[in-house]
Amino acid sequence: SQQGEEDPQALSIQEGENATMNCSYKTSINNLQWYRQNSGRGLVHLILIRSNEREKHSGRLRVTLDTSKKSSSLLITASRAADTASYFCATDDAMGAQKLVFGQGTRLTINP
Amino acid sequence: DGGITQSPKYLFRKEGQNVTLSCEQNLNHDAMYWYRQDPGQGLRLIYYSQIVNDFQKGDIAEGYSVSREKKESFPLTVTSAQKNPTAFYLCASSRLTGTDTQYFGPGTRLTVL
Repeated sequence: SQQGEEDPQALSIQEGENATMNCSYKTSINNLQWYRQNSGRGLVHLILIRSNEREKHSGRLRVTLDTSKKSSSLLITASRAADTASYFCATDDAMGAQKLVFGQGTRLTINP
Repeated sequence: DGGITQSPKYLFRKEGQNVTLSCEQNLNHDAMYWYRQDPGQGLRLIYYSQIVNDFQKGDIAEGYSVSREKKESFPLTVTSAQKNPTAFYLCASSRLTGTDTQYFGPGTRLTVL
């Protein structure tokens, strides 16, 4: 089945730096979503970007979508220790499957 | 206080036993989902339900069963046929299936002894 793949698998940066994570997928989509998971907890929705959008902002988050390359990026600016978590992209299926498919995630560590 | 709850938080099971994980939502969502997450991995879909009294297999349904008798509830039974059930189980709901945002419960960590 279609699956998003995040890159890198793990990222470690200093507090205050920007963090960029990438997601690639295989087939046409209606939208792409990013979720965050703190260790041992459920996922929390961060942002949804539709296939006809190229960029979207929410606070310190910036998401881009390039449907020609089947890829998306999540940028977290001015990172904080509290941003330490795993980040997942999730895609639907424009051909009609009524479910999301999640990638393997990027584990982000912000060092104080 | 709206949300989605899962119980118990931790569950221990002996080999050969069936066990049922609870998932309840008061968000009035039509769709509900069960995922399995193994350490350092992403989420894999077990079952999902778009409406009461209807559900569909996900990618890894073997060894699991579900029911959807009420809109608010979507329990998952891990049967003895599941060969490697130790994992973190996440329940989610959404207003609609497919493209809609999903809201997740806190998860149940199942360990087989």
